[in-house]
Amino acid sequence: DFQLTQSPSSLSASVGDRVTITCRASESIGMYLNWYQQKPGKAPKVLIYAASDLKNGVPPRFRGDGSGTDFTLTISSLQPEDSATYYCQQSYSRPSYGFGQGTKVEIK
Amino acid sequence: QVQLVQSGPEVKKPGASVRVSCKASGYGFSTSSINWVRQAPGQGLEWLGWISTYNGNTEYAQKIQDRIALTTDTSTNTAYLELRSLRSDDTGVYFCAREQHNTVWDSHYYFLDVWGAGTTVSVSS
Repeated sequence: DFQLTQSPSSLSASVGDRVTITCRASESIGMYLNWYQQKPGKAPKVLIYAASDLKNGVPPRFRGDGSGTDFTLTISSLQPEDSATYYCQQSYSRPSYGFGQGTKVEIK
Repeated sequence: QVQLVQSGPEVKKPGASVRVSCKASGYGFSTSSINWVRQAPGQGLEWLGWISTYNGNTEYAQKIQDRIALTTDTSTNTAYLELRSLRSDDTGVYFCAREQHNTVWDSHYYFLDVWGAGTTVSVSS
């Protein structure tokens, strides 16, 4: 089974800050990595697929990078509405999937 | 618009079974597979299983494969999750999600693009 490890598990940053979340895979997964945003009481929403492709309608301040085992999600200028938990997901072993443990982003 | 509408909350006793439905609309049901994901209270996302709406093929998470069954009814565009021998740690919110993909050269990159609102399942004696 592929394991995904996210870091940090939580962070607090100010509006306008640049925020980076890391997702590390236990084995190489190419670019088969997606990022989701989940707000409390809501279903997750896909932001990035194929490691770096921005889903239609997602603000361009969200950026995904990486390949192989190391991936990042960067928010270039944090906004109040970005307060949420972010999850990475691998699709390399599709139809079997797996998620990282999540990173909670709070606004100072 | 494309949407997945899930059934209402369930309260079950340990050892019972539960069935959650997920009705799709706004797209060709048989063109996209359905995944099920759950979230225990205050915890992260856990992938449970996948079903092809085209041919009924399934794939289950190893941890739960002996207690879960995914099915579809193409006449009503509905996917179902059945979970047997419920335990207290099955308590949580259960989501269905549509699988989509983007093709770059010969590689298909899959992701979950439309989600149901979630169904709360509570297991308690």
